Amino acid sequence: DIQMTQSPSSLSASVGDRVTITCRASQRIGTYLNWYQQKPGKAPKLLIYAASSFQSGVPSRFSAGGSGTDFSLSISSLQPEDFATYYCQQSYSTPFFTFGPGTKVDVK
Amino acid sequence: QVTLRESGPALVKPTQTLTLTCTFSGFSLTTNGMCLSWIRQSPEKALEWLALIDWDDDKFYSTSLKTRLTISKDTSKNQVVLTMTNVDPVDTATYYCARSRKSGDFPEYFENWGQGTLVTVSS
Repeated sequence: DIQMTQSPSSLSASVGDRVTITCRASQRIGTYLNWYQQKPGKAPKLLIYAASSFQSGVPSRFSAGGSGTDFSLSISSLQPEDFATYYCQQSYSTPFFTFGPGTKVDVK
Repeated sequence: QVTLRESGPALVKPTQTLTLTCTFSGFSLTTNGMCLSWIRQSPEKALEWLALIDWDDDKFYSTSLKTRLTISKDTSKNQVVLTMTNVDPVDTATYYCARSRKSGDFPEYFENWGQGTLVTVSS
């Protein structure tokens, strides 16, 4: 199985901060990488697919990129609604999908 | 509008068989490329893909759980059922169903999720 790691596992930030989360795959996966946002008590919500393509409705303060084994998700100016846990997920080895362990973004 | 809803028992005893149902609307699982997966999330918040069934009735299972899982669909009812045999307390999790689509070599992603159903395995 392709293993996914994320760093940091958690971070504390303030509204207006820029934050960056990284995701690494245990082997090259091209751009077969998706990002999800999850808020407490809710299902994960797709933010980014194919490493850098935005799902409809995702604000422009989000950006994402990478290919191969290293990927990133950034929020340029953190908003109150962005405090959540973020997961990466690979679809290279479809349908044997794997997720990263998550990065929790909370209030400093 | 695509909706998915999971249903099943909230509590099961160890060694029993768990049966979960995903009822969906807004799409057909007979449409070329359409897929539906089961994904679970442990209390520690890790997400784990379990199984997928596609429009052509092909079925795929997590390598680590494949001996215990069965996925099936009833297209007339717009339902997908997952059974898990011989459950253990480590199977305690929130279980989600999620839709994805296959389109050639384009990356797949879970674009729609149900709200999840919490299953506790305890005697």
